[in-house]
Amino acid sequence: QKEVEQNSGPLSVPEGAIASLNCTYSDRVSQSFFWYRQYSGKSPELIMSIYSNGDKEDGRFTAQLNKASQYVSLLIRDSQPSDSATYLCARRGGGADGLTFGKGTHLIIQP
Amino acid sequence: KAGVTQTPRYLIKTRGQQVTLSCSPISGHRSVSWYQQTPGQGLQFLFEYFSETQRNKGNFPGRFSGRQFSNSRSEMNVSTLELGDSALYLCASSLGSVQETQYFGPGTRLLVL
Repeated sequence: QKEVEQNSGPLSVPEGAIASLNCTYSDRVSQSFFWYRQYSGKSPELIMSIYSNGDKEDGRFTAQLNKASQYVSLLIRDSQPSDSATYLCARRGGGADGLTFGKGTHLIIQP
Repeated sequence: KAGVTQTPRYLIKTRGQQVTLSCSPISGHRSVSWYQQTPGQGLQFLFEYFSETQRNKGNFPGRFSGRQFSNSRSEMNVSTLELGDSALYLCASSLGSVQETQYFGPGTRLLVL
C-alpha cells in the first residue's frame, strides 16, 4: 500500500515568514512528486513538480526531494495571506498507479 | 488555452440511481484521470484513461466505471448510488506520459440523498 503522510495542521505562519510543509511517502518506486494547493471549495492547482533529488525553485516556492529518506518538502518564502490554503502532496510510481495524495496540510498565514 | 472542464458542476441524486459525469481535457492532452475527494478519505484515485483505454484503476468497486472517447473526452458512471458516494469528483488531464503533471478541472459535487 503506497501511502503519503502529511501533518494536517493547521500550520500558522506570520505574514512575510517562511512556511515549511513536509511530506513522507512509504514506497521506493515513487518517481514523481507534486505539490498542489487547494482553496476551500475549489479544485487543486499545481504549485510544483519535482522528479530528482535536491531543490527546485519557482518564484517564492522551493520543493525539496530526498528519495533516500522518502521525504519531500515545500518552502514558501515571504508568505502572503493569499497563501492560506490546504497544500496537498502527491506521488506517482512508474506507471501502474495514479497519483496518491496525502490528506493535506492546512496553512494559515497570519497578517 | 482552455482548462479542464467538467459537467455538471453540481448534482443531487437519490440512493439507487445512477449518474454520469463528463470531463473535457485540455486541448492536446490525451490522458484523463478521475479522483474522488471526501473530507474523511481525502483525494483518492479512481481510474485513468489514455487513448480510449483504461491504463490504471484504483481500489473502488465495480459500480464505478468510465470510458474515454476518440477526442479524449471522458465520462465516468456510478451505478446504484450509495450515500457514501457523496463527494467531489475531480477530473485531471495530462499530455499522456505517466510522469506528466496532471491538471485538475473544477470538479462535480455529487450529493446522494
